[in-house]
Amino acid sequence: EAEVAQSPRYKITEKSQAVAFWCDPISGHATLYWYRQILGQGPELLVQFQDESVVDDSQLPKDRFSAERLKGVDSTLKIQPAELGDSAMYLCASSLPGTAAHEQFFGPGTRLTVL
Amino acid sequence: GDSVTQMEGPVTLSEEACLTINCTYTATGYPSLFWYVQYPGEGLQLLLKATKADDKGSNKGFEATYRKETTSFHLEKGSVQVSDSAVYFCALSGTGTASKLTFGTGTRLQVTL
Repeated sequence: EAEVAQSPRYKITEKSQAVAFWCDPISGHATLYWYRQILGQGPELLVQFQDESVVDDSQLPKDRFSAERLKGVDSTLKIQPAELGDSAMYLCASSLPGTAAHEQFFGPGTRLTVL
Repeated sequence: GDSVTQMEGPVTLSEEACLTINCTYTATGYPSLFWYVQYPGEGLQLLLKATKADDKGSNKGFEATYRKETTSFHLEKGSVQVSDSAVYFCALSGTGTASKLTFGTGTRLQVTL
């Protein structure tokens, strides 16, 4: 069964360092999402791509966060510099184009700890 | 804006006990409502959905009814199993493919023998 792949699964970094997460969506899924899930809270959408274009990054803290999907397939989310409050689970999801919001498939996430 | 409120956890139950996890929402228009489940070490999975008032979503013995008059979508199961231990998220989305998912804070369920 096709799955959304994410790496690394766990990342520990010190504040002010740079960190990057990678996501490989299900083949054929043109829409890709990055979420942040702070402990004890629900996932919050950070950025949504349609192919290589950003369609929604209204909740992305652009002073330190960046996301790219250069070839419209896999994607990288970067934080520079990391802050203590960035400790969270970062989830990637993907879906076929034109499908409803709930028809997205989630990856296992990357758990980030900032010390 | 849209929001979802669900009961705080953790909820600890013995196997075969009845489960209810409360969820209420605030939204404009007529959202679709969902329950997602997150097992340890795994991504979120859609558990069930309801797209209009009075719809009942059901899956794996879980069910929830879309109650527009009380803006609620409570998750229920008559007899829980140890394998149901997970975090459960209530969520909503507006209509149309441009809508986003809005999640509640999640409720951890721990089922013991």
